[in-house]
Amino acid sequence: EAGVAQSPRYKIIEKRQSVAFWCNPISGHATLYWYQQILGQGPKLLIQFQNNGVVDDSQLPKDRFSAERLKGVDSTLKIQPAKLEDSAVYLCASSRREGGDNEQFFGPGTRLTVL
Amino acid sequence: GDSVTQMEGPVTLSEEAFLTINCTYTATGYPSLFWYVQYPGEGLQLLLKATKADDKGSNKGFEATYRKETTSFHLEKGSVQVSDSAVYFCALSDRTGNQFYFGTGTSLTVIP
Repeated sequence: EAGVAQSPRYKIIEKRQSVAFWCNPISGHATLYWYQQILGQGPKLLIQFQNNGVVDDSQLPKDRFSAERLKGVDSTLKIQPAKLEDSAVYLCASSRREGGDNEQFFGPGTRLTVL
Repeated sequence: GDSVTQMEGPVTLSEEAFLTINCTYTATGYPSLFWYVQYPGEGLQLLLKATKADDKGSNKGFEATYRKETTSFHLEKGSVQVSDSAVYFCALSDRTGNQFYFGTGTSLTVIP
C-alpha cells in the first residue's frame, strides 16, 4: 500500500510570512497526526484527528497554527505568521484507528526553514 | 506531565557487538511504550511496542521489556549489524491514547 504522502518536502520562508503543509494519509486510516520535530529533539505532537474531528490539539499554538482535515482524508497544517522558532521538520502520521497502542505510519516530513 | 528520557548518543559499535539503549519514562497510570527507528533518508517506523507491564516487544532481533518497577523500556540487541545504523526513538502514549511523547533520539552507527 502507498505510504503517507507529504508536500512540499522543503520550504524556506521569511519570518512573518505564511506557509501551509499538506498530508495525504494511508488509505482507510481514520486517525491522522501532525508532529513538529525541532533539530536535536524528538517529535512533538501538535494535533490529532479522528476522521475529520479533532481528538487533541492541546499542544498546538493556536495563535499562529491551524489545521484542518476536511472530508476525513487529506489534511493541511498552516502557520501564519511564521516565527524563527518554527524552523523544524513537520511530520504527518496516520493509523488505522484511534488508540494509544495503534501503530503510526509516518510520512517523510516537510523541512521548514524560517529566515 | 508524562515524558520520556532516553540515553544520549551518538553510539558507535562494531558489528556483532551487544547493544543497549536506555529509556525511562514518567507517566500517570499505565502508558503504552514504543521504540521507533529512522533509517537514513527514511521516515520514522515502528520497531516494537509493549502495552502493559512485563510485556516484551520484539522485532528484527531487537527486544525491550516494559518494567513498571523501574519505569524503563530499554532497547537491546545481542548482535548488531551495519544495517542497524539509524536513529532510535523511545516513545509513550498516555493512558487516554490521545497524547504521545517521544524521546530525543539516539543515533547508532555500526562499523564493520
